[in-house]
Amino acid sequence: DTEVTQTPKHLVMGMTNKKSLKCEQHMGHRAMYWYKQKAKKPPELMFVYSYEKLSINESVPSRFSPECPNSSLLNLHLHALQPEDSALYLCASSHPKTSGSIYEQYFGPGTRLTVT
Amino acid sequence: DAKTTQPNSMESNEEEPVHLPCNHSTISGTDYIHWYRQLPSQGPEYVIHGLTSNVNNRMASLAIAEDRKSSTLILHRATLRDAAVYYCILRDYGTYKYIFGTGTRLKVLA
Repeated sequence: DTEVTQTPKHLVMGMTNKKSLKCEQHMGHRAMYWYKQKAKKPPELMFVYSYEKLSINESVPSRFSPECPNSSLLNLHLHALQPEDSALYLCASSHPKTSGSIYEQYFGPGTRLTVT
Repeated sequence: DAKTTQPNSMESNEEEPVHLPCNHSTISGTDYIHWYRQLPSQGPEYVIHGLTSNVNNRMASLAIAEDRKSSTLILHRATLRDAAVYYCILRDYGTYKYIFGTGTRLKVLA
């Protein structure tokens, strides 16, 4: 199974709502990632978890709160978002980095978020 | 972070080879060259990666210039299913960070 699943596929939320995006993989990967992708732009890295610990936070606003409750699951909690946060949110996973190793990332299909 | 530059778009006829160029003049010795592609309405998918030598896999070939300042992704026979945005990415082997370039939108003509 080389699949990364993301739910929901689409989400519309108001600026005062709280919602969560969910990502799941069963490939035994211990590194998981959140990316944000605006229309016709490349994905931008937001967060990286390695062995369930936050490894990279690319100066993302605190209205985005990641969580990695176990090695298969990654959540992104959303609160008080702005309309400019509307985008495709992609989750990815990979084997964790070791010295000299390179492992490809497997991406999910994304959650398309609209903030109204 | 080292950056890559790619043409915005390219066209190819079906069944013909496609050469997608990428410039990375600021590449460092520990940067690997990765290629991913993103089909419409999907997340990116891995295509190929290399460090110094040319690489082949079932999807494509990667030709790396001797000075490593540029590379070319080669699709040997383009099909309609290869229509996608192709991203050339440099990644230091010591980091998780992928910095995606702007990508090349490949259009395949029947």
